[in-house]
Amino acid sequence: AAGVIQSPRHLIKEKRETATLKCYPIPRHDTVYWYQQGPGQDPQFLISFYEKMQSDKGSIPDRFSAQQFSDYHSELNMSSLELGDSALYFCASSSGTGATEAFFGQGTRLTVV
Amino acid sequence: AQKVTQAQTEISVVEKEDVTLDCVYETRDTTYYLFWYKQPPSGELVFLIRRNSFDEQNEISGRYSWNFQKSTSSFNFTITASQVVDSAVYFCALRSGTYKYIFGTGTRLKVLA
Repeated sequence: AAGVIQSPRHLIKEKRETATLKCYPIPRHDTVYWYQQGPGQDPQFLISFYEKMQSDKGSIPDRFSAQQFSDYHSELNMSSLELGDSALYFCASSSGTGATEAFFGQGTRLTVV
Repeated sequence: AQKVTQAQTEISVVEKEDVTLDCVYETRDTTYYLFWYKQPPSGELVFLIRRNSFDEQNEISGRYSWNFQKSTSSFNFTITASQVVDSAVYFCALRSGTYKYIFGTGTRLKVLA
């Protein structure tokens, strides 16, 4: 079965650079979520989109922005990167509202040096 | 406020022992959804089970079983006859009224051979 696909899997950037993470949800899933997981931490919610509209927002820095496109894929744009942005970034997708589980991609490991 | 608490930070058991992971949640919503996810050392987040607030039926699936009790706001997870491959971080998550999943801090399970 198709899963959530994230690219790239690994990314190394320097401070103050920009990064773009991509997420391709499971076909026919209409909701996409972005999470940030620091070392030894639980996943922290950043932002979600339902039917291409922002549906919920968490502790996402102003330096970050995201959108969901007409084909339902999503991109997380991160600017003015800081060392503290180094983390595992997960994208997840689900179908419908509320009663369904989210399936997570394998994550993008971002290292800021 | 919505919150998930996993009081057990780390548990170590010897292979073939049974182990229960605790999860306590808080929400004011009457309709909500609870989940367990597994994060093995490889890093991906794997969905294990979902429970709806109106379905308190407990379930057994192979070596896994779940105990959902609304009266104590608990959603505990038991692994019977643990195996080394069960070693992972296990996250309990809550979704209620929003487009986001709130994770607990996770319990690291180490199964020793």
